[in-house]
Amino acid sequence: NAGVTQTPKFQVLKTGQSMTLQCAQDMNHEYMSWYRQDPGMGLRLIHYSVGAGITDQGEVPNGYNVSRSTTEDFPLRLLSAAPSQTSVYFCASSYSRADSNTEAFFGQGTRLTVV
Amino acid sequence: AQTVTQSQPEMSVQEAETVTLSCTYDTSESDYYLFWYKQPPSRQMILVIRQEAYKQQNATENRFSVNFQKAAKSFSLKISDSQLGDAAMYFCAYRSRSNFGNEKLTFGTGTRLTIIP
Repeated sequence: NAGVTQTPKFQVLKTGQSMTLQCAQDMNHEYMSWYRQDPGMGLRLIHYSVGAGITDQGEVPNGYNVSRSTTEDFPLRLLSAAPSQTSVYFCASSYSRADSNTEAFFGQGTRLTVV
Repeated sequence: AQTVTQSQPEMSVQEAETVTLSCTYDTSESDYYLFWYKQPPSRQMILVIRQEAYKQQNATENRFSVNFQKAAKSFSLKISDSQLGDAAMYFCAYRSRSNFGNEKLTFGTGTRLTIIP
């Protein structure tokens, strides 16, 4: 089982550039999400999805866009990169049903630097 | 909204000793899940232990155990017989039991654990 595959692992962008962080899972999880991790702030939710075609904003959505056309894939788009978006990004997936295994599986993270 | 607080930014423990990491949370819900995640230098998020709020018995996983005090909204992690491989950032996290948009994890700010040989 591959679990959650997140690419790339490292990326350097110039201010104003756009890019897409890829996330794919092979566990047939309904729920997928993106977090950013900043020093001293833990992980904060950017966007999430409860199924194909359904997305919603999390705690810090500004500057990011998502879509979910399939159960497996949940890409995160940075529209116009800013230095404030320098962070480590994690994709995670889990079952949505409250009576099932609630463990969230994480990708390996992307360290993004915006210069 | 739920909040999770980890008041110890850094902790250290001698190898083979026991250490306890603290976590408190705030919620108006009665049914939820609590987790401890470990993040080693590799950056990978690894589930250490899970507690279901409706279960009174504290969860244990080998050398890891929790002290879950529901009334006090406290969820501490005890690591026994600490090993060098336990060195990592530890995050406490909360998840609602309900679904359809409430599956998100709310994280604390983390505790960096150092193991002294």
